[in-house]
Amino acid sequence: KQEVTQIPAALSVPEGENLVLNCSFTDSAIYNLQWFRQDPGKGLTSLLLIQSSQREQTSGRLNASLDKSSGRSTLYIAASQPGDSATYLCAVRLRTSPGGANSKLTFGKGITLSVRP
Amino acid sequence: AAGVIQSPRHLIKEKRETATLKCYPIPRHDTVYWYQQGPGQDPQFLISFYEKMQSDKGSIPDRFSAQQFSDYHSELNMSSLELGDSALYFCASSSGQGGTEAFFGQGTRLTVV
Repeated sequence: KQEVTQIPAALSVPEGENLVLNCSFTDSAIYNLQWFRQDPGKGLTSLLLIQSSQREQTSGRLNASLDKSSGRSTLYIAASQPGDSATYLCAVRLRTSPGGANSKLTFGKGITLSVRP
Repeated sequence: AAGVIQSPRHLIKEKRETATLKCYPIPRHDTVYWYQQGPGQDPQFLISFYEKMQSDKGSIPDRFSAQQFSDYHSELNMSSLELGDSALYFCASSSGQGGTEAFFGQGTRLTVV
């Protein structure tokens, strides 16, 4: 059973700091990994999708890396801003045989980020 | 750009009542997923459909059923509601049978009283 862990559960940083959010998963047979942002009581906004064959993806100030063999992904946020305050969730999709993808995304519990002005 | 539309956004029901949640995927997306997120919890996969056929099933109670229609919209029917069903219900859509980027709607907040 795939388990996704995100530690710490909460993080508070001053504005302008570069930060790294960690995600680990137990089953390395993943098809892809997706990072989401969720504001309180709101929907999930897709930030980045990394296929299992990729090592990293970039979008603006965000960079996500994937190390499938060690079961880890990181989301790097450059020059953090108060508007980045939200909960960040990573989710993995397992690979099925022969080479297809499972429908289900397994989520971590998220990291609640607070960026102080 | 068009996003995933869910209705209603908020719903209050009494115990043992029935609720129907609707999801309209992004145009040309043929896969729909349903997730349940309890307070302070991560989203839990309920069920998915590809091309109007159920493709995968997660922790969906027997009291719940869902289907995808010919226009690709989906409905989640929940009967005999319990207090524990109170949660945020998300629908997501993607193009193709799994593997592509999933886009989530804003969710329906169901409160059972």
